[in-house]
Amino acid sequence: SQTIHQWPATLVQPVGSPLSLECTVEGTSNPNLYWYRQAAGRGLQLLFYSVGIGQISSEVPQNLSASRPQDRQFILSSKKLLLSDSGFYLCAWSVPPGWQPQHFGDGTRLSIL
Amino acid sequence: AQKVTQAQTEISVVEKEDVTLDCVYETRDTTYYLFWYKQPPSGELVFLIRRNSFDEQNEISGRYSWNFQKSTSSFNFTITASQVVDSAVYFCALRTSGNTPLVFGKGTRLSVIA
Repeated sequence: SQTIHQWPATLVQPVGSPLSLECTVEGTSNPNLYWYRQAAGRGLQLLFYSVGIGQISSEVPQNLSASRPQDRQFILSSKKLLLSDSGFYLCAWSVPPGWQPQHFGDGTRLSIL
Repeated sequence: AQKVTQAQTEISVVEKEDVTLDCVYETRDTTYYLFWYKQPPSGELVFLIRRNSFDEQNEISGRYSWNFQKSTSSFNFTITASQVVDSAVYFCALRTSGNTPLVFGKGTRLSVIA
C-alpha cells in the first residue's frame, strides 16, 4: 500500500533562517506531488506541484522553492524565512487518471518567531 | 478556469441534527471529478468521496450522503444525526485532468455541540 511521510511535524524557526521540509512517498511510482500551505483558520493554498523529476510548477511567486531530486521525494525550501511563512504545510501525492484522489501527509506546523 | 465555492464559512449545530454542506463548482470541461475531504482538528486531510461528471447517482455511506446535481453545478454533502466527532473543516474540490492539482473551495468549519 502507498504511504506518504512528511517531516518534521512541528518546527519553530527565527525570521531570516533557512527552511527545508521533506516529503517522501512509498508504494507507487512516478506520482504527482504537491505542496500546500494553510494559514491559521484559512483554506488550502497550492504552492508547488510536480509531475516528474525536475519538473516543478510554481503557483505562488514568493521566497519559497521546491525541488524533486528523486521520483518520490519532494522538498520545500527557503533561504530566508519571513513571518508570513508561518502556517501548516501539507504534502500530497496522486496518480492519474483524474478520478484518483490526492492523498495528504500529516503536515508540518511551522512557526516563525 | 475552474472554481469551487463553499459559501458557508462556519456552521454550528447541536448533536443529532442533520446538516448540509454546500459546494458549487465552475468548469467548462465536460469531464471532471469532484471530491470531498475532511480535516479534523489534528490537521490531516482525509479523503471522503469522489464523483465523476458522468455519474450523477447520489451516494450514501452510513450517516453521510452526497447529492450531485449537474443542472445546478452542485455537489452537496449531508451528515445525518450529526455527532461531536463530525466537528471538522470540510473541503470540496474539483479536478479536470489527471495531472492537474485539485482546485479546493475555502472550506466549511462544522462545529457539532453536545
